[in-house]
Amino acid sequence: GAVVSQHPSRVICKSGTSVKIECRSLDFQATTMFWYRQFPKQSLMLMATSNEGSKATYEQGVEKDKFLINHASLTLSTLTVTSAHPEDSSFYICSAREEYTEAFFGQGTRLTVV
Amino acid sequence: GENVEQHPSTLSVQEGDSAVIKCTYSDSASNYFPWYKQELGKRPQLIIDIRSNVGEKKDQRIAVTLNKTAKHFSLHITETQPEDSAVYFCAATGELSSKIIFGSGTRLSIRP
Repeated sequence: GAVVSQHPSRVICKSGTSVKIECRSLDFQATTMFWYRQFPKQSLMLMATSNEGSKATYEQGVEKDKFLINHASLTLSTLTVTSAHPEDSSFYICSAREEYTEAFFGQGTRLTVV
Repeated sequence: GENVEQHPSTLSVQEGDSAVIKCTYSDSASNYFPWYKQELGKRPQLIIDIRSNVGEKKDQRIAVTLNKTAKHFSLHITETQPEDSAVYFCAATGELSSKIIFGSGTRLSIRP
């Protein structure tokens, strides 16, 4: 299957700082990328959907000013957690798909805010 | 909004027996239904998918059935093996909406 690369895989940051997570589709052009958050032993909660060159569409309850998403090209989307707090600690995972095809997931990023 | 319900949340079966996981979706525009397997600490991996123009699809020990009228779809794993232990997620998406909405997940344990 197609490859989606997500970096970093783990990050520890201090409370109040910002963290950027990158999601790249390596061998296909991702018309749409998705960002999910996963709490331990829970499902994938969709945070936002981004299409290349346009603003991301955030799900209800997700703060767009806190979770900045940029989809600058067909192969790269970034999620920036701004002014991180301990409650933002979670597993963040991206996925990417070409139009109307299956989605492929990145490795995920475990964020710990101390 | 769109919603996908998944049952059961946990499932324990004897090795060699079958396992069935069921999902229900709310958006009648959904026409693509993938199933993902997620092992601890790893990314979800697509194991099988089905489109709305098909009622059943099989791949070795894994099969998926779809009832569009009832908005139900199910995953069937036969002759379960220890390596089948994982969390399984169903999902639904459609042509008009590119969002993929996941079910709540089923933690499958295979007893030796």
